[in-house]
Formats: sequence, C-alpha cells, structure tokens
Amino acid sequence: AQTVTQSQPEMSVQEAETVTLSCTYDTSESNYYLFWYKQPPSRQMILVIRQEAYKQQNATENRFSVNFQKAAKSFSLKISDSQLGDTAMYFCASRGNEKLTFGTGTRLTIIP
Amino acid sequence: DTGVSQDPRHKITKRGQNVTFRCDPISEHNRLYWYRQTLGQGPEFLTYFQNEAQLEKSRLLSDRFSAERPKGSFSTLEIQRTEQGDSAMYLCASSGGTSGANVLTFGAGSRLTVL
Repeated sequence: AQTVTQSQPEMSVQEAETVTLSCTYDTSESNYYLFWYKQPPSRQMILVIRQEAYKQQNATENRFSVNFQKAAKSFSLKISDSQLGDTAMYFCASRGNEKLTFGTGTRLTIIP
Repeated sequence: DTGVSQDPRHKITKRGQNVTFRCDPISEHNRLYWYRQTLGQGPEFLTYFQNEAQLEKSRLLSDRFSAERPKGSFSTLEIQRTEQGDSAMYLCASSGGTSGANVLTFGAGSRLTVL
C-alpha cells in the first residue's frame, strides 16, 4: 500500500522568488518512483519532475529541483525564480507497482 | 501524435442515465489508466490496462462501472445508472514506448455532472 501526504493545501509567493512544496510518502515497495505533477487551471496534468528511489542524486529540471530524503520518506519540490505560469495545483505522487498514488495537492499562486 | 485525447470533455446527465467516456492514448503506449478526481482532491486510481487486458481494478470501481480496451487501442469507461456521487473529472492516462512505463501522460479529462 502507498500513501502520499501533502500538508500545505495552499501557498503563495512573489514572482521571481523561490518556493518549496512539501511531500511525505509511505510505501511497502522496495523499488519505487516519485513524481511531481502540475495541474494548471485548464486541468491537464503535466509531469514536472521524477525521481527514481534507487538514485541518490536529486533530480533537477531547469528551475525545478527535488530534495529526496529516502530515510525520512520526504520528497519536496523547489521552484526557483518562480513565474506567473507556475500558478497551478501541484500533486506529489508515488508509483511502486502499476498504480500512481497521489497526494491531495498544493495550490500554488504566484503573485505578480 | 497529439497526446492523450478524451471525449466528451463535459457531460451533464440526469441521475439514473448511462454515460460513456472514450480515451485515445498515445499510439505507442501499451498501458492505459483511468483515474477519478473530485474537487479539491488528488486523482484516485480506478483501473488499468496493459494492451487489451484489464489487469487491476480499484474497489472504487463499483459494479456500475465498466471499462474496456478492445484491440489494445482506445478505451471506454461506462457508468450505468449514474448517481450524484459519480460527479467528478474522469482522467485517462497512458504510458509506455520511448517515455517508459513509469511516466504517465494524462489527457485533459472528461467532467461528469449528474443532476
């Protein structure tokens, strides 16, 4: 069984600032993957970044990076130089078998 | 390839009616997933196919729900005798091919409103 917890329902930050979204997870799988998905107001889910649990190096995609703490089962997302287009719901997700299990999301608003 | 397509985008129906949603995955993807998302919540897994075989179904998928993927291409999700609690966004996703089995690409969703 997998659970994903996002404890920040809403966050807001000024444009160009850095923001970190938190996520904790629990899984019984030994090999699993972690993801952050973005869902803008148009509602299509878009992959932001992924992390293979067996890799120690934190994943980075341009302005997006993660802090993966395997022992603590923590997987936070850092957005640097935030832009207005980053305004969206952000979902943390875990995949250990064929299912992707999502958290409840964090609504991020970038303030001009 | 235009990504994952879902049809219709919006459906309003009366309680007790049947509805069917269609999903066309990315052509090279052999896995196809259905999720349900209610307002303010993350998507919840419903079912998944590998090619034409339905390999897993969630307990959320009651007897009124049925999904098919004939010939391993498009998929349909049918809800019979709809209830107001079925109102939600139904998301389809696919994976496989060069992007790998672990990266799901989502469609825009089909929003169901049951009156």
